[in-house]
Amino acid sequence: DTGVSQDPRHKITKRGQNVTFRCDPISEHNRLYWYRQTLGQGPEFLTYFQNEAQLEKSRLLSDRFSAERPKGSFSTLEIQRTEQGDSAMYLCASSHEGTGTGTFFGQGTRLTVV
Amino acid sequence: AQSVTQLDSQVPVFEEAPVELRCNYSSSVSVYLFWYVQYPNQGLQLLLKYLSGSTLVKGINGFEAEFNKSQTSFHLRKPSVHISDTAEYFCAVSEANQAGTALIFGKGTTLSVSS
Repeated sequence: DTGVSQDPRHKITKRGQNVTFRCDPISEHNRLYWYRQTLGQGPEFLTYFQNEAQLEKSRLLSDRFSAERPKGSFSTLEIQRTEQGDSAMYLCASSHEGTGTGTFFGQGTRLTVV
Repeated sequence: AQSVTQLDSQVPVFEEAPVELRCNYSSSVSVYLFWYVQYPNQGLQLLLKYLSGSTLVKGINGFEAEFNKSQTSFHLRKPSVHISDTAEYFCAVSEANQAGTALIFGKGTTLSVSS
C-alpha cells in the first residue's frame, strides 16, 4: 500500500477522555500535515512536520492537542480532555518537497465525542 | 494570507450534462491552486493542480480547470458528467515557492448528478 494510512477510522469517546490517532504517510514523503474537517466545511490546517520537526501550528491547535513525529515516519495526534466541539474528521496528509508536488490525504479518523 | 471562496455550495446536474464549479481566491503573493474531490466518508483525492505554465490544466476523470489571474479564479469544468461524479469538491490554494506551506481550502461544493 503506497497511500497515507490512518488509524482508527472511527473513534467514539466520552467527554473528558483522551484519544490518540496515528498516521502513516507515504514512505518517501518528508512532510506530514494534520487537518480537521467539520461537517459542511473544508479541511482546516492544524499542524505540519518536516521530518521529525514540528514547524508550524495553527491557532486552532489548543493546548489540549499535541502531535508528534518521533522518527520522521509515522505521526500521532493526541487530544486530551476531549470536548464535544472536538467532534470532527481528522485528516492526515503527506507530501515530498513542498505542496507543489502534490499533497496526498489519508481517509481520515472520524471522532465523535459524546 | 490566502483565502478561497467557492461560489456555489450545491450544484445539481443531470447525467451527461456539462458542469462548472466556481472558485475564486484572494492572495497578495503568487499561489499554487488545487482541486480535490471527496467521496462520502473518504479522504481527499487530488483532481488537478496549477503550479505554473499553461493556464488550462487537465486532471483525472475528465476534469479540467482554467487559471485566470486577472479574475483570481480557478473554475473546474467537465463536459459530460456521470453519476459517479457525485461528490464534494474542494478548491485549495497555497503560497507558491514556499516549501511546506499548508493548503487553504474553500468550504466545498456538493455536486449531485442524477439520471
